Amino acid sequence: DAEITQSPRHKITETGRQVTLACHQTWNHNNMFWYRQDLGHGLRLIHYSYGVQDTNKGEVSDGYSVSRSNTEDLPLTLESAASSQTSVYFCASSESGRLMVGQYFGPGTRLTVT
Amino acid sequence: DQQVKQNSPSLSVQEGRISILNCDYTNSMFDYFLWYKKYPAEGPTFLISISSIKDKNEDGRFTVFLNKSAKHLSLHIVPSQPGDSAVYFCAASASTGNQFYFGTGTSLTVIP
Repeated sequence: DAEITQSPRHKITETGRQVTLACHQTWNHNNMFWYRQDLGHGLRLIHYSYGVQDTNKGEVSDGYSVSRSNTEDLPLTLESAASSQTSVYFCASSESGRLMVGQYFGPGTRLTVT
Repeated sequence: DQQVKQNSPSLSVQEGRISILNCDYTNSMFDYFLWYKKYPAEGPTFLISISSIKDKNEDGRFTVFLNKSAKHLSLHIVPSQPGDSAVYFCAASASTGNQFYFGTGTSLTVIP
């Protein structure tokens, strides 16, 4: 069965370190997204990609970067982790033009920056 | 600026009664609206959607109503069951793009 996975599921890191969160989907979807979920803010879009070599900034992109070298993977990198980036991160994918079925989400990565 | 708003952070309902979750949006370009359900330690899962050409869409116990003039949609769950206890997110999208804009979520508790 097709799926979308994230790793690690939990991560503790120190302020200033570089951290990369992995996202892998086997749906063969062109579109991939990274969100963070924080209390009182819901899901906020960090970066998204509509295809290989395509990346775009979302609402809260400062301090984050992504790269898309193939269809399946969209890793999220925190260049220099800050305590404000402690959050739960969700990766999602969707098929272009099929807005009525929405996005498929991964299980999330809980990141703690100490 | 939040384009999709869920003004009720939480809702408690007795088992068997109706749950009504509300959502408002500001962008008149939105023409697809979705509800997601999220359990703790899991990713959100798609529940039901509606396009702007309709004012109602029903799927079993779940019905979504859309009032375009008021820029308001609601999700009705009838009858509510304890397994419905979760956080519900409203999301909206415009057919000109592939992005979804999410509300802040409403935590539903169904009391047995």
